[in-house]
Amino acid sequence: GQQLNQSPQSMFIQEGEDVSMNCTSSSIFNTWLWYKQDPGEGPVLLIALYKAGELTSNGRLTAQFGITRKDSFLNISASIPSDVGIYFCAGQWKNQGGKLIFGQGTELSVKP
Amino acid sequence: DTAVSQTPKYLVTQMGNDKSIKCEQNLGHDTMYWYKQDSKKFLKIMFSYNNKELIINETVPNRFSPKSPDKAHLNLHINSLELGDSAVYFCASSQTGFGDTQYFGPGTRLTVL
Repeated sequence: GQQLNQSPQSMFIQEGEDVSMNCTSSSIFNTWLWYKQDPGEGPVLLIALYKAGELTSNGRLTAQFGITRKDSFLNISASIPSDVGIYFCAGQWKNQGGKLIFGQGTELSVKP
Repeated sequence: DTAVSQTPKYLVTQMGNDKSIKCEQNLGHDTMYWYKQDSKKFLKIMFSYNNKELIINETVPNRFSPKSPDKAHLNLHINSLELGDSAVYFCASSQTGFGDTQYFGPGTRLTVL
């Protein structure tokens, strides 16, 4: 079935560093979303993007909906220890009942 | 004030057994979902319901049967459990479908021995 290619799979960074991760798809999505999952919890929405080219920020997080509608990236600036977790991109089509197609996740570790 | 709750949090059972996972949302949402997260953390949708009506059924084995007694509840019943059913199952809800934020429950970790 449809799958998103998310990279990198994991990152080990120092506190204060900036982080970048991205997702690509072979098909066009109407919406791109970024979620974060903490251990033992469900995913929590960070940013939702609805238009091609859209650039949206949420605090230290910035995400963009690619012009081709087949990709998206998420940047985290000045990382802190609580940024640790798994970050997932997800794509969504109209008229598909709200179904989310998830990337494989990027596991982020931050060293204090 | 839990938004999406699931019970149980952990479920350990033998192969061949039948088990249920319950999900409730107090957000007044119309749409509810079940997702499965495998051992590699990959999340895949299984079902969605809108106002108690099945909308999505993603070629899940028919041993899995969702039931929505009302729009605030979506339970997942699994018959004849297999080793490969071991995973974390997440319930989620959204106001409607496309374009609305999906709120996820804390997950149920199912282990089949």
